[in-house]
Amino acid sequence: SQQGEEDPQALSIQEGENATMNCSYKTSINNLQWYRQNSGRGLVHLILIRSNEREKHSGRLRVTLDTSKKSSSLLITASRAADTASYFCATDAHQGAQKLVFGQGTRLTINP
Amino acid sequence: DAGVTQSPTHLIKTRGQQVTLRCSPKSGHDTVSWYQQALGQGPQFIFQYYEEEERQRGNFPDRFSGHQFPNYSSELNVNALLLGDSALYLCASSLVAKNIQYFGAGTRLSVL
Repeated sequence: SQQGEEDPQALSIQEGENATMNCSYKTSINNLQWYRQNSGRGLVHLILIRSNEREKHSGRLRVTLDTSKKSSSLLITASRAADTASYFCATDAHQGAQKLVFGQGTRLTINP
Repeated sequence: DAGVTQSPTHLIKTRGQQVTLRCSPKSGHDTVSWYQQALGQGPQFIFQYYEEEERQRGNFPDRFSGHQFPNYSSELNVNALLLGDSALYLCASSLVAKNIQYFGAGTRLSVL
């Protein structure tokens, strides 16, 4: 079963705009990760935030984590057509390589 | 440096048949995890192998089995295929002490 929900399920914006995706989860976590998937292919790791962190940045990506609300958000600034993909959050309950529990994903479309 | 490689890319089987999927981890990685991704869903954890043993298992029946070889490569076997086994099967490799997993491009299995 999925760990949580992602919101929205689909998002369509114009190139240059910012895109925000939200993720909620159900159980305690060690860390939360965001992955990108292009056209049903393999997943690419974007960013990891640990349970004791509240915000993290990587290039045009900004991730926040609120463990009291069991939620996270991913912000992509200045979107590009190449950002068109599905984005998944995944939770990891333990330190070290353990099973990832994925949400159902947000399908992001960037219109030129 | 090759990433995670999976074979075959696509596979078509009929109900009741058996299938074997293969995965070579990223160089230097010692842990392999397998995920099943149905169309429009997030990946679901099947199991993880480390030191040639199954380390963790998700909620999948015994028809799903695996193996890890001394060179860290891995196989996923599915017996008595059902129509519902049609999905993208993803392999991910990592270091046992690290949280980030690196995914292959997947094997798309169609069961007719």
